[in-house]
Amino acid sequence: GAGVSQTPSNKVTEKGKYVELRCDPISGHTALYWYRQSLGQGPEFLIYFQGTGAADDSGLPNDRFFAVRPEGSVSTLKIQRTERGDSAVYLCASSLQLNTEAFFGQGTRLTVV
Amino acid sequence: GNSVTQMEGPVTLSEEAFLTINCTYTATGYPSLFWYVQYPGEGLQLLLKATKADDKGSNKGFEATYRKETTSFHLEKGSVQVSDSAVYFCALLISSGSARQLTFGSGTQLTVLP
Repeated sequence: GAGVSQTPSNKVTEKGKYVELRCDPISGHTALYWYRQSLGQGPEFLIYFQGTGAADDSGLPNDRFFAVRPEGSVSTLKIQRTERGDSAVYLCASSLQLNTEAFFGQGTRLTVV
Repeated sequence: GNSVTQMEGPVTLSEEAFLTINCTYTATGYPSLFWYVQYPGEGLQLLLKATKADDKGSNKGFEATYRKETTSFHLEKGSVQVSDSAVYFCALLISSGSARQLTFGSGTQLTVLP
């Protein structure tokens, strides 16, 4: 595609529910990153993939958060038992290779009520 | 750990004014430094970068110089335009082992008035 696509653009869910956020990276990009941006803050790293494998998941806040990239392209960020504190904009980025420019999607705004 | 501190906003300037947004960092190792910009309704975009000390990144009239002695990467533009209104983020990247994380500052909102 022309850019990184994230769906949905907005998601409202009830506390305790499960949500999935999807990221379609730029075609051919091998590296994919997830970040979380709270209101008034800069993005915070969650996880990155090189191909299908999670090369660094040190930013995931707890075991309620999980991400997959089974075919090395599309990635899904999964959040179980959502809490109000999970409300944020979740950003995805991809790059052609590691250490090359990362291109960001417009994000998914998650609101937990 | 790694961290980025940038000038708090919001910053409001008149068109053609001079812009400086301060950014300082703390890092273990030798980071690459970046400025990202987020225009209203759009995703984060890379504005400029510098990968080693004394490098100057530049793009669209913006400049920033990697100053290792002061651990700074201040963003400057000589004459801002209304179209420069956006949120600006300073960031660093340390590539070490399996780590490839960008660490961002909290962002500075810039509004340029005609």
